[in-house]
Amino acid sequence: KQEVTQIPAALSVPEGENLVLNCSFTDSAIYNLQWFRQDPGKGLTSLLLIQSSQREQTSGRLNASLDKSSGRSTLYIAASQPGDSATYLCAVMGSNYQLIWGAGTKLIIKP
Amino acid sequence: GAGVSQSPSNKVTEKGKDVELRCDPISGHTALYWYRQSLGQGLEFLIYFQGNSAPDKSGLPSDRFSAERTGGSVSTLTIQRTQQEDSAVYLCASSLGVGRLGSPLHFGNGTRLTVT
Repeated sequence: KQEVTQIPAALSVPEGENLVLNCSFTDSAIYNLQWFRQDPGKGLTSLLLIQSSQREQTSGRLNASLDKSSGRSTLYIAASQPGDSATYLCAVMGSNYQLIWGAGTKLIIKP
Repeated sequence: GAGVSQSPSNKVTEKGKDVELRCDPISGHTALYWYRQSLGQGLEFLIYFQGNSAPDKSGLPSDRFSAERTGGSVSTLTIQRTQQEDSAVYLCASSLGVGRLGSPLHFGNGTRLTVT
């Protein structure tokens, strides 16, 4: 059974710092891995999707990597800004097309 | 609008009543998912529709929950005889396709259901 773990559960850093959020999964047989952000009282916004054959994806200040063999993904945020404050969720899609979700990392960027 | 639309945004109901939650996916998206997120918990998969195929209902927590998708577009999630533990945010998502197509999910803002 696929399990997804995100570490840390919460993170608070000063504005301008680079940071890394971690996601690990137990079953390497995945179709893709997606990173989302969730703002309070709002739905989820897709940030990056990495297909199982890919190693990384980049969008602006965000870079996500995928290492299927070790069951790990990282989300790198460069030059963090207060607007980056949100909960970041990692989700893995398996063979049944279901997304298995991590519990999220609550990120606070201090001005 | 261009995004996934859910209604109502908030619903308060008495225990034992039935509720219907609606989801309008992005036009052209063949895949539609329902999830729920309880307070302080992660997202829980409920049901998945792909085109005209039979839906994957494996995540529905009990037979009080049902969902349909009419004409391959709008979906309705129905909860019968609501219980307090049904209180959660119900999220709908749609995508162009599944699996190897690598299509990201687009989420609505959710329906916050409170059962009193």
